[in-house]
Amino acid sequence: DAKTTQPNSMESNEEEPVHLPCNHSTISGTDYIHWYRQLPSQGPEYVIHGLTSNVNNRMASLAIAEDRKSSTLILHRATLRDAAVYYCILRDRNTDKLIFGTGTRLQVFP
Amino acid sequence: DAGVIQSPRHEVTEMGQEVTLRCKLISGHNSLFWYRQTMMRGLELLIYFNNNVPIDDSGMPEDRFSAKMPNASFSTLKIQPSEPRDSAVYFCASSWGTGVHEQFFGPGTRLTVL
Repeated sequence: DAKTTQPNSMESNEEEPVHLPCNHSTISGTDYIHWYRQLPSQGPEYVIHGLTSNVNNRMASLAIAEDRKSSTLILHRATLRDAAVYYCILRDRNTDKLIFGTGTRLQVFP
Repeated sequence: DAGVIQSPRHEVTEMGQEVTLRCKLISGHNSLFWYRQTMMRGLELLIYFNNNVPIDDSGMPEDRFSAKMPNASFSTLKIQPSEPRDSAVYFCASSWGTGVHEQFFGPGTRLTVL
């Protein structure tokens, strides 16, 4: 499985934008980039996914580099509720499997 | 919809006892995933089913672990006999279809084996 590299932790202030980076230099042409997050004491929840083009939804935006070797999850205005571990995952379109790494722990300060 | 339902939410048992964890899928979903989360190993996929059929059980630790889907909406994960190193939070997740569809996770079962 292709691997991703994320910083262990990041900090942000409330109402500021947050850019969470992810490197995936060994990504293959059939890999989708998925982001999940895990709030304290909860199961992971889906955030967003993309293949080549940038994607937006109500939770976040996903910016994908032109060579697809890196991506950035963007939270436009962080809230205290966004404090969580964020996982960047490569998922082959031909498999159902999600392989979670260690993720980035985001702290949000008031 | 109530989302993925797991029971029990907490389980404390003694080494050697049988443990059964239960999961109810979201209505209409046909893929079911069991994960285990520990501080040391993070989130690990144990097994997943599609249309009630086990597709990949390569993550199941050993023969003490078994998972079933007796029907399309329900699954069990059984550990027999349990050991202290099985202590973890066990999550199940469901999704519709295969490929890139998002997975919906349950709240987890925190298992402690003494």
